[in-house]
Amino acid sequence: DGGITQSPKYLFRKEGQNVTLSCEQNLNHDAMYWYRQDPGQGLRLIYYSQIVNDFQKGDIAEGYSVSREKKESFPLTVTSAQKNPTAFYLCASSLTATNEKLFFGSGTQLSVL
Amino acid sequence: AQRVTQPEKLLSVFKGAPVELKCNYSYSGSPELFWYVQYSRQRLQLLLRHISRESIKGFTADLNKGETSFHLKKPFAQEEDSAMYYCALSASIKAAGNKLTFGGGTRVLVKP
Repeated sequence: DGGITQSPKYLFRKEGQNVTLSCEQNLNHDAMYWYRQDPGQGLRLIYYSQIVNDFQKGDIAEGYSVSREKKESFPLTVTSAQKNPTAFYLCASSLTATNEKLFFGSGTQLSVL
Repeated sequence: AQRVTQPEKLLSVFKGAPVELKCNYSYSGSPELFWYVQYSRQRLQLLLRHISRESIKGFTADLNKGETSFHLKKPFAQEEDSAMYYCALSASIKAAGNKLTFGGGTRVLVKP
C-alpha cells in the first residue's frame, strides 16, 4: 500500500521531554513537509525538505527540529522549547519541490500530560 | 503577506441543495489557488486547482481577482460531500508545499 505513514497516531509528552514523530513515504517523492493543525487555524508549515540531506524552516519552526537522512523518512522532533505542543501534526510529500499536489499522511495527535 | 480566510466554520445543507464555500484571500500579486478536502477517516487530498479550470465531483471554483475570492460551489450537494474543506493560496506558479498558505477550513454537513 503506497503512501505516507505517520506514527504514532497518538502521542503524549511530559514536561521537559522531547518527542519524535515519524513520517515515512514510499512514493519516491523528493519533497516532504511538516504542518501543524490547530482548531480553526488551518495548517501552518513547520519545516520542509526539498531533497534528501536538506531542510528549511517554515513559518513556525521554533521549538521543533527535523532531519532528512533518507529520502523516504522525515522525522519531526518536538523539543521541550516548544511551549504549546498540543496539536495535530500532518506530514506531506510532493513529487518534486515545485509540484503543487501534496500527499498527506493520516496525522499524529500530540498532547501534553 | 499572504492570507486566506474561510469565514464559515460550519456549513449545513440538505441533500440536493446548492452549496457554496467562501474563500477570500489577500495577496498583492497573481495567486494560484487550490481547494483541499478531507473526508471522514480519510487523508487530506487535493480537490481542485484554479489553473486547471476543472470540475471535480461536481464542484467548481472560479477565481475572482476583483473580489479576491475563490469560492467553491456545487449545484446539488450529496451526502458524500460531507467533509472538511480547505482553501489554499500560493504566490508561485509552481506551488510546492512550502509555499502554500491554508485557510482555517469549513466543515460541510449534508443532511439527508
